[in-house]
Amino acid sequence: DAMVIQNPRYQVTQFGKPVTLSCSQTLNHNVMYWYQQKSSQAPKLLFHYYDKDFNNEADTPDNFQSRRPNTSFCFLDIRSPGLGDAAMYLCATSREQQSETQYFGPGTRLLVL
Amino acid sequence: AQSVTQLGSHVSVSEGALVLLRCNYSSSVPPYLFWYVQYPNQGLQLLLKYTSAATLVKGINGFEAEFKKSETSFHLTKPSAHMSDAAEYFCAVSGGYGGFKTIFGAGTRLFVKA
Repeated sequence: DAMVIQNPRYQVTQFGKPVTLSCSQTLNHNVMYWYQQKSSQAPKLLFHYYDKDFNNEADTPDNFQSRRPNTSFCFLDIRSPGLGDAAMYLCATSREQQSETQYFGPGTRLLVL
Repeated sequence: AQSVTQLGSHVSVSEGALVLLRCNYSSSVPPYLFWYVQYPNQGLQLLLKYTSAATLVKGINGFEAEFKKSETSFHLTKPSAHMSDAAEYFCAVSGGYGGFKTIFGAGTRLFVKA
């Protein structure tokens, strides 16, 4: 029944140790987004894919990368996590880009030790 | 550039009381406007969406919002708060000259007292 699935729900990593978060969707939507959300703040868009086209936000650090091997899956790679990268990471999808409702996964909470 | 302002980072109401969460946007053209709700340790869920079809938009869980162009507002209301309404609420704007990107407000945390 779940439409946007994120694994794991909680991830603990060490300072500087690469980590990958995963997202999958059953909606067959063209667009997939990754957001970073820190405590009591609005979600901050990191990047999005329209189909296979990757779109990076200008202020997204190089430390963050993403892969979308197919329509259903999208990954967020953090190459060298710092303490400041501890946050909730939200994956979302939308059918098309313009003015569409976004469907969010439950998020992955990342803790960096 | 588009922006969204939510007045009040925290709102507290008694159970059964009116809920009013304020949202103002800036846009040179009528945008698409959204209210999302986020429960603890969950993703965001759409409450309702304004797409210019009607200025009063009804959403899930008894919430509604009214688009007022003259005030550039899109306030969220519910006549009678329930304990289960306690959550974080985000107003968002998309479309128009902002293109696809959805801009979220800073959020308003709603507390419901018994």
